[in-house]
Amino acid sequence: NAGVTQTPKFQVLKTGQSMTLQCAQDMNHEYMSWYRQDPGMGLRLIHYSVGAGITDQGEVPNGYNVSRSTTEDFPLRLLSAAPSQTSVYFCASSYQGAGTRVYEQYFGPGTRLTVT
Amino acid sequence: AQRVTQPEKLLSVFKGAPVELKCNYSYSGSPELFWYVQYSRQRLQLLLRHISRESIKGFTADLNKGETSFHLKKPFAQEEDSAMYYCALSGGSSYKLIFGSGTRLLVRP
Repeated sequence: NAGVTQTPKFQVLKTGQSMTLQCAQDMNHEYMSWYRQDPGMGLRLIHYSVGAGITDQGEVPNGYNVSRSTTEDFPLRLLSAAPSQTSVYFCASSYQGAGTRVYEQYFGPGTRLTVT
Repeated sequence: AQRVTQPEKLLSVFKGAPVELKCNYSYSGSPELFWYVQYSRQRLQLLLRHISRESIKGFTADLNKGETSFHLKKPFAQEEDSAMYYCALSGGSSYKLIFGSGTRLLVRP
């Protein structure tokens, strides 16, 4: 299994440009999430999905869109990039541990995005 | 409000010294606490979860509901423990994690 994969690894955008960060998982996990990682702020949840066709907002959703047409893929779209969106973006998928409420999250390698 | 606080941005210790990475949380219900680790140029990975009460790579963490803490401890630090450590909390919807700001552990030879 490849686990959680993300493309691209690095990206530079100009202010106002749009782009899509790709995320895929091959573990048949129901749950997928997008986080951004900023120095001194840890990871913050952008959007998440509990299954194909179902998405919801996290802590910092503004400026981002998501969709979940298949179990495997969960792309993150930046509609009009801004310098404040310069960050490292992590995708994660998760499942519920047997007999528990615990959902172990598996992370992708991250995408480092710079907006100039 | 749900919150995770890691008061130390950087913790530097010598090899063989004990390590304690602090984590305090704020949550009104019964939380589930995790420690995630990110080694240099690697992805985040789960280190510990309080519910399993396990020891991984010599690290342990005990949930103290009275002090609302979930500190990560290791009696003898190794150089390979140098990494970024994140404490995380999940509440009713356990697939959503709230992360602390992280502590960078540097173990010097």
